[in-house]
Amino acid sequence: GENVEQHPSTLSVQEGDSAVIKCTYSDSASNYFPWYKQELGKGPQLIIDIRSNVGEKKDQRIAVTLNKTAKHFSLHITETQPEDSAVYFCAPEILYAGKSTFGDGTTLTVKP
Amino acid sequence: DAGVTQSPTHLIKTRGQQVTLRCSPKSGHDTVSWYQQALGQGPQFIFQYYEEEERQRGNFPDRFSGHQFPNYSSELNVNALLLGDSALYLCASSKRGAWGSGNTIYFGEGSWLTVV
Repeated sequence: GENVEQHPSTLSVQEGDSAVIKCTYSDSASNYFPWYKQELGKGPQLIIDIRSNVGEKKDQRIAVTLNKTAKHFSLHITETQPEDSAVYFCAPEILYAGKSTFGDGTTLTVKP
Repeated sequence: DAGVTQSPTHLIKTRGQQVTLRCSPKSGHDTVSWYQQALGQGPQFIFQYYEEEERQRGNFPDRFSGHQFPNYSSELNVNALLLGDSALYLCASSKRGAWGSGNTIYFGEGSWLTVV
C-alpha cells in the first residue's frame, strides 16, 4: 500500500510569512495529489489539488508543486493569516481507485 | 444546500457493544466513503459505497460493515466494539462513482465515538 509522510509535523510562522509543507509518497502509480485543511471540530476540506500531468497549480495565496520523479509534492501558503491556522493533510491517490491514504497531518499556527 | 450531514455528533458506548453511524451525502452526490480518524492522526479509509454496493475497502476487520440506501445515504456499523475503536468517524461524499475524479469531495463534521 501507499506510504505517506508529511513534514514538518508542526509549523509556527508569523502572520505575513510563507509556509511550506512537504508530502512524500511511495506509490509511483499515484496521479492525483490533493491537500486538505481541517479546522478544530470540523471535517477536512479540500483546498487545492493537482494531477500528475501538471507541475504546479496556484489559487490566490495557496499553491501546490509536484515532483513525480522524486515522489513528493508541497503545499505553499503565502502571506499567511491567523485563519490559516489548522491541520493540513496530503492524500495522494490513484484516480478512480476509490480510496486515498492520508498523511498524519501538519499543524500550522500563524501568530498575529 | 446542506452539505454532508452525520449523526450522532457524539456518543459513548461500552466495550463489546454495537454502534450505527449515519451519513447523508451532499445533494447531487452518489458516492459515500467512510474514514476513521484517531486523535492526532490522519483519516484512515474504511470503505466506499456506490450504487448501494461496497466498492473499495481499506484495512479494517469485518466488524466494520456498511450500507447505502437508494437515496444515497449511508450507515456505518461497528460490532463488538474495542477501546481502540474510539475515534472520529468521517463520512465523505462525491459526485459520480469515481473517487478522486477531480470532483470536489466533501467531508461531514464527523461522529465522535468513545468506547469505555
